[in-house]
Amino acid sequence: DGGITQSPKYLFRKEGQNVTLSCEQNLNHDAMYWYRQDPGQGLRLIYYSQIVNDFQKGDIAEGYSVSREKKESFPLTVTSAQKNPTAFYLCASIALAGGTDTQYFGPGTRLTVL
Amino acid sequence: GENVEQHPSTLSVQEGDSAVIKCTYSDSASNYFPWYKQELGKRPQLIIDIRSNVGEKKDQRIAVTLNKTAKHFSLHITETQPEDSAVYFCAASRGGTASKLTFGTGTRLQVTL
Repeated sequence: DGGITQSPKYLFRKEGQNVTLSCEQNLNHDAMYWYRQDPGQGLRLIYYSQIVNDFQKGDIAEGYSVSREKKESFPLTVTSAQKNPTAFYLCASIALAGGTDTQYFGPGTRLTVL
Repeated sequence: GENVEQHPSTLSVQEGDSAVIKCTYSDSASNYFPWYKQELGKRPQLIIDIRSNVGEKKDQRIAVTLNKTAKHFSLHITETQPEDSAVYFCAASRGGTASKLTFGTGTRLQVTL
């Protein structure tokens, strides 16, 4: 877990603004994931990427965008099109080689829209 | 896609008692079932997982059972302690290169003295 970092820990956004959440890992993991967590709803997948310069939509991708220009970095942009962005955002990663399916999570970013 | 249901949503037990949390899944191709523990404001931490080629796995006071025919799996915590108080999530995936986890909605476990 210590090899995945997210910043900032807390983020405040005004309505109509785009904000970018950072996720970095130094575990040499191949795949990276973004989840959104709301009270009583568990974790829902926003986007994931298995390889550099490629990513796929998850279950709730509308209003979000991502990029994967480097293996260790997977930033998430919350756009003004996301109608209810206040939530706890978690990044995760996994090594696809070695037969493991274990996802390790970063510490999260709590986004609040003012 | 996969759908995971988790029950109960809240569970209160006395210290020393056992706690059981149950999950069902819909995708018969799912073969990896992890359980995560999340303390307030913290990241989820993997506590135990099971694959479809085994029916039960134990790690000290924690055990997970899997019934592939019925498509359900359960988390068992014995001799509960106050530090077990947290939210527990089950999840399911097909494993492999996609490894997309679908999570249950969580169970808030409260261990009282």
